[in-house]
Amino acid sequence: EPEVTQTPSHQVTQMGQEVILRCVPISNHLYFYWYRQILGQKVEFLVSFYNNEISEKSEIFDDQFSVERPDGSNFTLKIRSTKLEDSAMYFCASSETRDKNSPLHFGNGTRLTVT
Amino acid sequence: LAKTTQPISMDSYEGQEVNITCSHNNIATNDYITWYQQFPSQGPRFIIQGYKTKVTNEVASLFIPADRKSSTLSLPRVSLSDTAVYYCLVFFRNTGKLIFGQGTTLQVKP
Repeated sequence: EPEVTQTPSHQVTQMGQEVILRCVPISNHLYFYWYRQILGQKVEFLVSFYNNEISEKSEIFDDQFSVERPDGSNFTLKIRSTKLEDSAMYFCASSETRDKNSPLHFGNGTRLTVT
Repeated sequence: LAKTTQPISMDSYEGQEVNITCSHNNIATNDYITWYQQFPSQGPRFIIQGYKTKVTNEVASLFIPADRKSSTLSLPRVSLSDTAVYYCLVFFRNTGKLIFGQGTTLQVKP
């Protein structure tokens, strides 16, 4: 079964540094998402992306965040200047369509630790 | 936006049927109910999705009454490996955005 893959599995960075989290969605999927989960808390929506532009974003997704699909396979989340509170698991997801028969498929996440 | 409410935790024993009920009182006409499972340090995994009545797959069943204000996920004969967090979500067709609640932590005991 096709999978969403995310790299790295764990990223440690210092406060103020830029990080790029990478995702390879399932190849025939057209809709892409980033979610995050702070330790012990619920999964939070960050952003959805379709046709090379952001479809919707949450209030968490401020100017420090950006997403990009630089080529035909990768989908990236960039945090320009990390803060301690950005420490979390970041999950990428993709879906074939936005139809009811097209559920989101999640990767296993990147654990970001900001020190 | 439709919000979901589900029990924070449940305990069960191996071999039992587990039913987790979720309420979504202000679900809209076009919304679908979706359930995900999450193991520690893994991404959420799709279990089942439905709009009304009953949906069954190889993993679970989903019961949705006519008013659609609640839904029940049924896991037949659970095993220890079913210990996980189960999320009831409303799928917004217009945006495709899934909003996660706190989920139900299911603990299956031997």
